[in-house]
Amino acid sequence: QVQLVESGGGLVKPGGSLRLSCAASGFTFSDYYMSWIRQAPGQGLEWISYISSSTRNRNYADSVKGRFTISRDNAKNSLYLQMNSLRVEDTAVYYCVRVDIGRDYFDYWGQGTLITVSS
Amino acid sequence: DIQMTQSPSSLSASVGDRVTIACRASQTIGTFLHWYQQKPGKAPNLLISAASSLRSGVPSRFSGSGSGTDFTLTISSLQPEDFATYYCQQSYSAPMYTFGQGTKLEIK
Repeated sequence: QVQLVESGGGLVKPGGSLRLSCAASGFTFSDYYMSWIRQAPGQGLEWISYISSSTRNRNYADSVKGRFTISRDNAKNSLYLQMNSLRVEDTAVYYCVRVDIGRDYFDYWGQGTLITVSS
Repeated sequence: DIQMTQSPSSLSASVGDRVTIACRASQTIGTFLHWYQQKPGKAPNLLISAASSLRSGVPSRFSGSGSGTDFTLTISSLQPEDFATYYCQQSYSAPMYTFGQGTKLEIK
């Protein structure tokens, strides 16, 4: 079955950096687009980044553009999110998500990893 | 950017009730509209894709309709496990995506 397992969350100071990883299994990872979606405490869902299957195309929400970088290693079935210049408002649970081919809905989600940005 | 607006933001209902949640897009999105359910402390789960396609394994009491700018999620007869927060999401502007703000469905 499809599994997405995030890691790398934790506490970081404002201005700091963190790298999230997502290990994928149960499907042909290299065939799928992937995204990161976050949810601040008590708030709704915010899509933040997307990467195509070949890594040729990437896209970011304005809230993270220029600070976060999405990448993937298809040989390792892994998705990454490099987060720099972190702000208090980046505090959230970050989900690794598979994107359906064709209609672009989010069909499988990881369990999420919590990032807390605080001094 | 395409904005998604859900109504109501919260809703109290009883087991057995029929419930409808609305989602409106700021511009036409065809049927590139999807619905998710999220329970506290858990990741969201896809319920309905392309406005009306029920995901395999999702109970038939859930249904979706609409196209263009106006969409609805209907639960025909609420069950205890349905009390959760529901989100709509558009993918018309892929690879830029937006969610509605969510509708929290609570027990009356």
